[in-house]
Amino acid sequence: GDSVTQMEGPVTLSEEAFLTINCTYTATGYPSLFWYVQYPGEGLQLLLKATKADDKGSNKGFEATYRKETTSFHLEKGSVQVSDSAVYFCALRGVPNTPLVFGKGTRLSVIA
Amino acid sequence: EPEVTQTPSHQVTQMGQEVILRCVPISNHLYFYWYRQILGQKVEFLVSFYNNEISEKSEIFDDQFSVERPDGSNFTLKIRSTKLEDSAMYFCASRRTGDGNTIYFGEGSWLTVV
Repeated sequence: GDSVTQMEGPVTLSEEAFLTINCTYTATGYPSLFWYVQYPGEGLQLLLKATKADDKGSNKGFEATYRKETTSFHLEKGSVQVSDSAVYFCALRGVPNTPLVFGKGTRLSVIA
Repeated sequence: EPEVTQTPSHQVTQMGQEVILRCVPISNHLYFYWYRQILGQKVEFLVSFYNNEISEKSEIFDDQFSVERPDGSNFTLKIRSTKLEDSAMYFCASRRTGDGNTIYFGEGSWLTVV
């Protein structure tokens, strides 16, 4: 079945460092891909998405490019802030209206 | 911004007890979901609900689980007889018709079974 694998955390970075969180997927067909973020004490929030190959999702300085050839959707940010400290979840939807399939989540801590 | 709200935020219950987790989806949304995350594991789909019936459920969603929309605003998850392995964070989510790629999640209800 469909699955998502993302890098294990926790990840600790200094403020203004470059962030990459790897995510790869296995799916039949052409899934839609997502990154969700969970800030402390809050619910899962959609951070960005891409619905077809080579699409780039972006939001709040974060970017991820849908790479069908490598089945990847890595999350990147050029300069992280303390306020980016959260748990980041990669997810996919293989077929429209089917449930999201999530990865385990990666905890990011950014220190000043 | 509209949001999905869940209660309680944390519940401790004894094994074998019934638990009801409550959710208030966003008001104009018609698709509702429950997911859960056992500590250190993936967020897993439990069930989806549309038009007053279950539209899809996972293997996890066995006879111990049920969902209900008792009125026009609430969406509940009931666990009939809790087991230790039901300890997890339970997330409610909702979305509107026609936008399958934008799902709004609540803050989660942390259930601890002792």
